[in-house]
Parts: sequence; structure tokens; C-alpha cells
Amino acid sequence: SYALTQPPSVSVAPGETARITCGGNTIGDKSVHWYQQRPGQAPVLVISYDGDRPSGIPERFSGSNSENTATLTISRVEAGDEADYYCQVWDDSSDHWVFGGGTKLTVL
Amino acid sequence: EVQLLESGGGLVQPGGSLRLSCAGSGFTFSSCAMNWVRQAPGKGLQWVSGLSGGGSNTYYADSVKGRFSISRDNSKNMVYLQMNRLRAEDTAIYFCAKETGPSSGYYNYDYWGQGTLVTVSS
Repeated sequence: SYALTQPPSVSVAPGETARITCGGNTIGDKSVHWYQQRPGQAPVLVISYDGDRPSGIPERFSGSNSENTATLTISRVEAGDEADYYCQVWDDSSDHWVFGGGTKLTVL
Repeated sequence: EVQLLESGGGLVQPGGSLRLSCAGSGFTFSSCAMNWVRQAPGKGLQWVSGLSGGGSNTYYADSVKGRFSISRDNSKNMVYLQMNRLRAEDTAIYFCAKETGPSSGYYNYDYWGQGTLVTVSS
């Protein structure tokens, strides 16, 4: 079955840039979606289709996807960005949605 | 305003059954595929099951196939998850999430409910 690999944690200082990766076999051929989940809350879509930003999501959030790695980039990180982030793809060989293991973003 | 409201969670013994419900409002319910996603305590998100807008196509994670059944009633804007032969490892918060289109796999989850807790324990 298709697997997505994320680093368990990423730490950045306020104002810096955070990059969260999502690895998968030829993930560049798939559409990747990213969700933010703050403690005790439901996930929120922050990036769709590799790099599209839904309405209401700050321009500081961006995404890219190529070959075997997709990346969520958060520029000028703020304390409010501290959360867990998950990548997601559809695996059409199994007709399953697949989530990455999640990355905890800590703002120092 | 789009809203998804889950209900039906609770404490159940191993081997027991539970039926979760998700009520949708604020959107054209039959035009959206619906999914259940769970999150065990302190763990990540795990997709459980999905259902196309018309209800004809269903999808299940390997861990629940044969035990769980997803269905929907578009006349009531409801989606259900029937969970049988429950195990301790099914303990989790179960979220209902809608896709932005009718066919599962082509879209993303634009709205999620707040979740309902299922605890499987003796």
C-alpha cells in the first residue's frame, strides 16, 4: 500500500520559514493536500492540489510537489501557526485516501 | 454556513457494535463525497471509509473492511458508519469530512466535523 513519510517535528523561530516535507514514491504524479490541526480541533485545509491556497488561508502558506517529495512552506512563521500538519493523497491503485504521519510544528 | 455534526459515539465493549451519524447542512449534500477519518489518542489521522455523492461507490481502509459499513441518506443529509466487531484499536475520535465534489479521490476535504469519541473497552 502507498505510504507517505513526514518528519515527526519541525522547529522554527518566529519570522523564519518552516518547510515540512512529505515523501512518497513518485508523489509528484499525485495531487497533494495539506491540513493543519491545532490541539483539540478538527483539521483545516491549508493547501490543496499541491499549491492552491483556499480562501481565508494566509499567503504565507504555499506548497510544491515534485518527484518523490511534496513540501509545505510557511513563511514568516507566527506563534499561531504552531500545530500538527498532515499531507494527504489519493492512491488510485487501492482506491484509498492516505495521510502522512503528521508533523508537529513548534514555534520557538 | 457549512456544518457537519457527528453523533453516536460512546463506550462499547470489544466485539460490540456502534452506529455513527453525521448530519450535513449548508451545502448540496448529494453533490459531495463523504468520508470518515479517525484519530486515536495522541496519534495521527487515519482514513477509515468514503462514499460517493450518489452512494453507489464505497471505499474502506483495510483495517476496517468487512467490519464497518458506510451509507448515506441524501433525503436527510445524513451519512452513517456502522461499526461491528469493534476492537480496542478502534478507539479514536471519528471525524466526518466532506469532499468538494461527488466522486471520491478527485477532490480534497474542505470541511470537517468536530468529531465523536468512540471508546472500545471492557
